[in-house]
Amino acid sequence: SQQGEEDPQALSIQEGENATMNCSYKTSINNLQWYRQNSGRGLVHLILIRSNEREKHSGRLRVTLDTSKKSSSLLITASRAADTASYFCCMDTGRRALTFGSGTRLQVQP
Amino acid sequence: GAGVSQSPSNKVTEKGKDVELRCDPISGHTALYWYRQSLGQGLEFLIYFQGNSAPDKSGLPSDRFSAERTGGSVSTLTIQRTQQEDSAVYLCASSNRDYTDTQYFGPGTRLTVL
Repeated sequence: SQQGEEDPQALSIQEGENATMNCSYKTSINNLQWYRQNSGRGLVHLILIRSNEREKHSGRLRVTLDTSKKSSSLLITASRAADTASYFCCMDTGRRALTFGSGTRLQVQP
Repeated sequence: GAGVSQSPSNKVTEKGKDVELRCDPISGHTALYWYRQSLGQGLEFLIYFQGNSAPDKSGLPSDRFSAERTGGSVSTLTIQRTQQEDSAVYLCASSNRDYTDTQYFGPGTRLTVL
């Protein structure tokens, strides 16, 4: 069973707007990562945030982590049509493999 | 350098047949993972190889599934007596040392069982 749940399941915005995706998980984690997947294939690593970090930035991406609420958010600012993809959070729970969430499908309308 | 490659990219088979899926990890990467992604779903962990350690097979859904990693490099995922519910995209990933490192994913193999 999946340990992570993402919200919303689908999101449609206009180019230039910000997109926020949330991830909730159930067990304690060592770190949390976000991946992007285009067209159902080829996951690409975006950013990693460790359990002792609260916020991290990478370009137009901002990730927050609240371990007390067991939740994380991914913010994409000034979205572009090329950001259209599915976004997955995944948790390092010490299980020797990552546990992935169910994903958010983001559609950025040009 | 080359990324993770997988073959075939697409495989259509009949129910009851065996299939083999191949993964070539990034050269030098010690850890290798197999995941399965059903249509519109998240990734489901299958198996994890790390160096010479015994693989973590805890995600394999049944004894019809098995995987090998020869010489610490190429891996083969075998599904015996395929069922329609095995239809999915099978993704392979590798990382430099172990599961704490960033995983680099291959393009996947789309398996369709008729």
